[in-house]
Amino acid sequence: AQSVTQPDIHITVSEGASLELRCNYSYGATPYLFWYVQSPGQGLQLLLKYFSGDTLVQGIKGFEAEFKRSQSSFNLRKPSVHWSDAAEYFCAVGPLTGNNRKLIWGLGTSLAVNP
Amino acid sequence: DTAVSQTPKYLVTQMGNDKSIKCEQNLGHDTMYWYKQDSKKFLKIMFSYNNKELIINETVPNRFSPKSPDKAHLNLHINSLELGDSAVYFCASSPGGMGNTEAFFGQGTRLTVV
Repeated sequence: AQSVTQPDIHITVSEGASLELRCNYSYGATPYLFWYVQSPGQGLQLLLKYFSGDTLVQGIKGFEAEFKRSQSSFNLRKPSVHWSDAAEYFCAVGPLTGNNRKLIWGLGTSLAVNP
Repeated sequence: DTAVSQTPKYLVTQMGNDKSIKCEQNLGHDTMYWYKQDSKKFLKIMFSYNNKELIINETVPNRFSPKSPDKAHLNLHINSLELGDSAVYFCASSPGGMGNTEAFFGQGTRLTVV
């Protein structure tokens, strides 16, 4: 079955510390991979996406993610977290082709940042 | 300019009422979506329209009915509201199918049924 797992429900880091949010997926073919961020009271905003090519992708707000096919993972990283990064982070996967082009979402990781 | 806008942002209503949420996008996208986010932040797709044609219709009670008068608008009408309908409803749009293109989300409508 197709699924996305974000193992960490909640993470707390100190401002300035590095961050890694984990995402593992189960999918029958090579998927498109996405990370979205949801700030409190806001909608979701795309941070970055992977379709093909270089497996290390850069996104907005200083985030990057690395696609590791052998591990079925697409972990999100940031070298130095800012207080404004406190938010909910969602990993999602989608099909490359086909008519039923809907995303499969993880349950999210809630990030808290200590001053 | 707001890319995807939903109204209202907050909606408090009594059980049994009928209500509508409106969504408009000015991005020229072909595809629009309705998502429901529950209290645990779980995102569940409800409907998707492509050029006014329904293409995704998940297992949603018949009380929920989407309407797309044109490809820039996708409204959600809910009949006979129940307590369990309380959630945040997000509208989104994308140039093509969401599976391979970026989706743009509205700010959400927080529906509270009392």
